[in-house]
Amino acid sequence: AQSVTQPDIHITVSEGASLELRCNYSYGATPYLFWYVQSPGQGLQLLLKYFSGDTLVQGIKGFEAEFKRSQSSFNLRKPSVHWSDAAEYFCAVSNQAVTALIFGKGTTLSVSS
Amino acid sequence: GAVVSQHPSWVICKSGTSVKIECRSLDFQATTMFWYRQFPKQSLMLMATSNEGSKATYEQGVEKDKFLINHASLTLSTLTVTSAHPEDSSFYICSARGLGNSGANVLTFGAGSRLTVL
Repeated sequence: AQSVTQPDIHITVSEGASLELRCNYSYGATPYLFWYVQSPGQGLQLLLKYFSGDTLVQGIKGFEAEFKRSQSSFNLRKPSVHWSDAAEYFCAVSNQAVTALIFGKGTTLSVSS
Repeated sequence: GAVVSQHPSWVICKSGTSVKIECRSLDFQATTMFWYRQFPKQSLMLMATSNEGSKATYEQGVEKDKFLINHASLTLSTLTVTSAHPEDSSFYICSARGLGNSGANVLTFGAGSRLTVL
């Protein structure tokens, strides 16, 4: 069965420190992978996506993610976190570029000063 | 481009009443709409997929008679929660798929609708 695992429920990072949010997927075919961010009470904003090609993907707001097929992972990174990055982050997978997504349970990011 | 508007953003209703949530694609034609439900501090769970002019396809475990989905036009889909009960309280999010201005398929999420049933 298709699934997405985000092992970390809650992460706290100091402002200016680097960030890595983990995502592992289970998928039989070539996955399409996404990272979304959700601020409290808000909808989802797409940070980045991976369909094919270069396994290091650049997104908005200074985020990047690396697809590692051997590890079934698609971890999200940011070199220097800002207080405004505090939010809920969701990793998602699908079998097509634009279709229904399977989401992980999310990771809550808190940023300390 | 590729903007989806969801309305209302927040609604409170009494138990036993019905509530309608609208999802509109503002600048593109949405051939497919996806409806998700999100419980507090939980992930988004796909409820149903609707294609314009067709009956919605519901995920296993979703009551089609309770969650009525209509997709009568290429820019509007509605989710009606019938005879709502407190356990239906949740955050409902739609996403729309269609051709964007660039001619490529786009998938855009609405801002969500928070339903509270008293």
